[in-house]
Amino acid sequence: DSGVTQTPKHLITATGQRVTLRCSPRSGDLSVYWYQQSLDQGLQFLIQYYNGEERAKGNILERFSAQQFPDLHSELNLSSLELGDSALYFCASSPRLVVMYEQFFGPGTRLTVL
Amino acid sequence: DAKTTQPNSMESNEEEPVHLPCNHSTISGTDYIHWYRQLPSQGPEYVIHGLTSNVNNRMASLAIAEDRKSSTLILHRATLRDAAVYYCILRRGDNFNKFYFGSGTKLNVKP
Repeated sequence: DSGVTQTPKHLITATGQRVTLRCSPRSGDLSVYWYQQSLDQGLQFLIQYYNGEERAKGNILERFSAQQFPDLHSELNLSSLELGDSALYFCASSPRLVVMYEQFFGPGTRLTVL
Repeated sequence: DAKTTQPNSMESNEEEPVHLPCNHSTISGTDYIHWYRQLPSQGPEYVIHGLTSNVNNRMASLAIAEDRKSSTLILHRATLRDAAVYYCILRRGDNFNKFYFGSGTKLNVKP
């Protein structure tokens, strides 16, 4: 158990809909990262937040957005969903702004878009 | 993106050492080499990382070539629990937060 929690575990929705994925980092970790893992694209970095501010961006679509709240939990919002958005979404956390050693990954949320 | 190349899959016998190779010919002087693994139905977990010198920890060893264009993750005695996808990642020296995972090597451990 990494100490990172993600909810929900599974989510099934339809094309065009909007969903919110939630992540609680390890106690004391200020950085939160979001990743998307699909069968054809592998594990892709989406975005990083540190202490409430966006700090790094990867291959995140404009239809996706994220935020980190004062209690340090984070939410990833996916809108106008397409079939290709079906994937595992992982959240990770680390103590500081820069990843000197390791990120701690949550168990993931499996999103299925029908 | 900093690219790494790994074999798609490897097989090992339980209790034997495993050498997982990774090529990163475009590595720059300040890039760190990180290894993560992903057990079935779980998120990735950190294994080891290094810059220039070989590194050892309780999980594995990392051997880095002198020219740094390749590295090898060494599991000294493979167990069934080590069956996972192993990712070799370059952490950009000028941007510490963008981890580029490749396709990884799926390690199968036979009893």
